Amino acid sequence: KQEVTQIPAALSVPEGENLVLNCSFTDSAIYNLQWFRQDPGKGLTSLLLIQSSQREQTSGRLNASLDKSSGRSTLYIAASQPGDSATYLCAVMYTGANSKLTFGKGITLSVRP
Amino acid sequence: DTGVSQNPRHKITKRGQNVTFRCDPISEHNRLYWYRQTLGQGPEFLTYFQNEAQLEKSRLLSDRFSAERPKGSFSTLEIQRTEQGDSAMYLCASSAPRLSSYEQYFGPGTRLTVT
Repeated sequence: KQEVTQIPAALSVPEGENLVLNCSFTDSAIYNLQWFRQDPGKGLTSLLLIQSSQREQTSGRLNASLDKSSGRSTLYIAASQPGDSATYLCAVMYTGANSKLTFGKGITLSVRP
Repeated sequence: DTGVSQNPRHKITKRGQNVTFRCDPISEHNRLYWYRQTLGQGPEFLTYFQNEAQLEKSRLLSDRFSAERPKGSFSTLEIQRTEQGDSAMYLCASSAPRLSSYEQYFGPGTRLTVT
């Protein structure tokens, strides 16, 4: 079964800390992987998309990496701010999946001032 | 480009009633997806369209659910005879593979509460 796992479910850090959010997936036959941000009661905002042929993508203070062989992706957030507090979701598009995304349950991040 | 829009944003209905949600994708996006998200979970795939053709439906989509995308533009998701277990956030997303490598853009969602 193609699954996506995000552990831990919640994380609390002080402002200014660099942090890493982890995502693991069960099948290395992926087309791409997307990281999303979700604020409470809101929709999803796409942060970064990594193609299966890529190793990493960067946008501002965010850097996402992909290691297909080990079935892992990480989202690195530099110099965290209280405004980064949200739930971060990892989603995998498996090859042959008709472009549908399989999501993890998300990591709820709280950045303390 | 105004993004993906969904209406209504919130819907409260009594068990047994029918409800219909609407999604307007980003213009020129030929793929449209519906997902359902319950509290504390990630979104789960329901169905997707390429243009006006519905190409896949999840086993989560019971016979009480129906989705359409007439003329390949907006889409509607109807739930008949709602049950309390249908309470969830219904999310719509769109993509244009030719333009953005299947990157999906999500709308704000419709939160359904069945009482």
